[in-house]
Amino acid sequence: GQQVMQIPQYQHVQEGEDFTTYCNSSTTLSNIQWYKQRPGGHPVFLIQLVKSGEVKKQKRLTFQFGEAKKNSSLHITATQTTDVGTYFCAGKDGQNFVFGPGTRLSVLP
Amino acid sequence: DVKVTQSSRYLVKRTGEKVFLECVQDMDHENMFWYRQDPGLGLRLIYFSYDVKMKEKGDIPEGYSVSREKKERFSLILESASTNQTSMYLCASSLGQVRGETQYFGPGTRLLVL
Repeated sequence: GQQVMQIPQYQHVQEGEDFTTYCNSSTTLSNIQWYKQRPGGHPVFLIQLVKSGEVKKQKRLTFQFGEAKKNSSLHITATQTTDVGTYFCAGKDGQNFVFGPGTRLSVLP
Repeated sequence: DVKVTQSSRYLVKRTGEKVFLECVQDMDHENMFWYRQDPGLGLRLIYFSYDVKMKEKGDIPEGYSVSREKKERFSLILESASTNQTSMYLCASSLGQVRGETQYFGPGTRLLVL
C-alpha cells in the first residue's frame, strides 16, 4: 500500500534559522496536504497542493509539490518560537489521505 | 468555524472493558474519520465514514468498530480494551470529496488502558 515518509523526524533550530521538512510518497499523489500540531494540541490544516510543481506561500512558510507528484516540502524562513510543533504531510492516493509520521520542530530562543 | 468535539479528553479503562469514544461535528460534513496517534508513528487511520450508516476500514481496524447512525456523530468502539490500545485518539471530519477535503480535527481523547 501507499507509504508516506517524512524527514527529518526531529529538528532543533535556533530562532531565526530556516527549517525544511521533506515528505516522500511511495506512489504518485493526486494532492498533498500539510498540517501543524502544536504541543498538546490537535492537527490544524495549513494548505493543500494539487498541481505538479506547485509552490504556495503563507507568510514565512513555503510549500512545494514535486514535479512527479511524489514528494513535497515545507520551508520556514527565519523561524520563530511560535513555529514549534509537529508538521505532518498527508498524501492522497486514490480515495484516502495517508499521513506521514511528522517532523517535530523545536525552536530555541 | 467548524467545530469537532470529542466526548472525553482523558479516559482510563481496564483491560477487557468496552469503551465508547464519541465524536460530533457541527458543520454538516459528509466524511468522518477516526485516527490513533502514537509517538513516531504519526496518525494512523482506524475507520472512516462517507455517509450515515456507512463505514470503511482504514489501515488498523483490528480491535475496533464504529457506528454512524446520524450524520453529525461518529462513534469508535473498543469491544474489549487491551493495553496496546493505549493511545491518543483523534476524530476528524471533512466536507466531502467534491465539496472539500480539508480535515478538521477534534481535541483528541487520551486513552489509558490498565
